[in-house]
Amino acid sequence: EAQVTQNPRYLITVTGKKLTVTCSQNMNHEYMSWYRQDPGLGLRQIYYSMNVEVTDKGDVPEGYKVSRKEKRNFPLILESPSPNQTSLYFCASSLGRTPLYNEQFFGPGTRLTVL
Amino acid sequence: ILNVEQSPQSLHVQEGDSTNFTCSFPSSNFYALHWYRWETAKSPEALFVMTLNGDEKKKGRISATLNTKEGYSYLYIKGSQPEDSATYLCAFMNRDDKIIFGKGTRLHILP
Repeated sequence: EAQVTQNPRYLITVTGKKLTVTCSQNMNHEYMSWYRQDPGLGLRQIYYSMNVEVTDKGDVPEGYKVSRKEKRNFPLILESPSPNQTSLYFCASSLGRTPLYNEQFFGPGTRLTVL
Repeated sequence: ILNVEQSPQSLHVQEGDSTNFTCSFPSSNFYALHWYRWETAKSPEALFVMTLNGDEKKKGRISATLNTKEGYSYLYIKGSQPEDSATYLCAFMNRDDKIIFGKGTRLHILP
């Protein structure tokens, strides 16, 4: 089944403890992206990647890192999480280098709480 | 700062009625506009990808139009059904490859 998977789905952690949220897609998509969703705000783009070893900052990249060593995986790394990073995170992928002509497919979401 | 506005924020519609809502975006540097449907406790799912001024797309009872010159897109739902209850998101993409989502229109269908 074609899908985007994220792990973990739920995570409660403490300030400063490094964590990684994994994202994987099995559709051979070029483009992958991370978003966060907060109450009263739209989905905001954190980082995106148009291809292996190519990553770019989105709207709200501060406090996050990403890597794209393989086409299928796009992990989101929080080196030193803080409470303001408590949010619902979505990974998404799209067929082309950009989502110009192609829809994005979203993962199930990861709900992160930083105490 | 790129701003994508959706209106109304929330909408209650009687089952069987038709409805529409708006997405406004910067008219300069336009690249693409996407519409997504987001049901509670699920992930957003794509409805339409629109790139050309004057585009009209249709999927069943749902359709969308695009005006890139004046910077707006309309989403129409004909004969609303309970399963149409969801948040509808638009996403604007500019030529710098940035994607900006609106805050969404929350649609409630009343039986």
